[in-house]
Amino acid sequence: QVQLVQSGAEVKKPGASVKTSCRASGYTFTTYYIHWVRQAPGQSLEWMALINPRLGTVSSAQKFQDRVTVTSDTSTGTVYMALSSLTSADTAVYFCTRGEQLTPAPFDLWGQGTLVTVSA
Amino acid sequence: EIVLTQSPGTLSLSPGEGATLSCRASQNFRGDHLAWYQQKPGQAPRLLIYGVSTRASGIPDRFSGSGSGTDFTLTINRLEPEDFAFYYCQQYGYSPRTFGQGTKVEV
Repeated sequence: QVQLVQSGAEVKKPGASVKTSCRASGYTFTTYYIHWVRQAPGQSLEWMALINPRLGTVSSAQKFQDRVTVTSDTSTGTVYMALSSLTSADTAVYFCTRGEQLTPAPFDLWGQGTLVTVSA
Repeated sequence: EIVLTQSPGTLSLSPGEGATLSCRASQNFRGDHLAWYQQKPGQAPRLLIYGVSTRASGIPDRFSGSGSGTDFTLTINRLEPEDFAFYYCQQYGYSPRTFGQGTKVEV
């Protein structure tokens, strides 16, 4: 079954870091970028970063460049996203999603999302 | 960064009616790298349309996309009960990929 399965919800204090995972299955892991998109409560979708799982190269939105780290483990088909220096503004559902690598591509498969709550 | 502005914010309609959702880009972008997603509460977005007008796999033909340059439209013919949801446009040709703020289609 072609799917992306994400790790469970997290509760963090301000200033802490969070690391979430996204495991791909049912397709060739290295032929798609994995993107991270977040959605704050009642808000739209915000693109954060992408990784080429085979090369490990990352491109991120300028807003997150200093705080986001994305890595991949090709042996397990898993991508990890870590976000540091959390504030309440980072409370959101974080989605991983995939897009083809060869051309600009839409996001055709999504994980179920991981809720990250930042609260003192 | 390309800013996408969707209108209206909310569309109040009844099953069987048609819906027209608009997405305007802050600049004319090359190519046809414009997509539409549907999202229901508590769920991940689902790809409906890509390349401005190509329906994704399994998407019924009552959904159609059109447009060019800076103005794009998602049309839903004969709304079904399951179509009441949020809809987002996205451009994926430039980095950062950006989304519109969404249109809610409600009963």
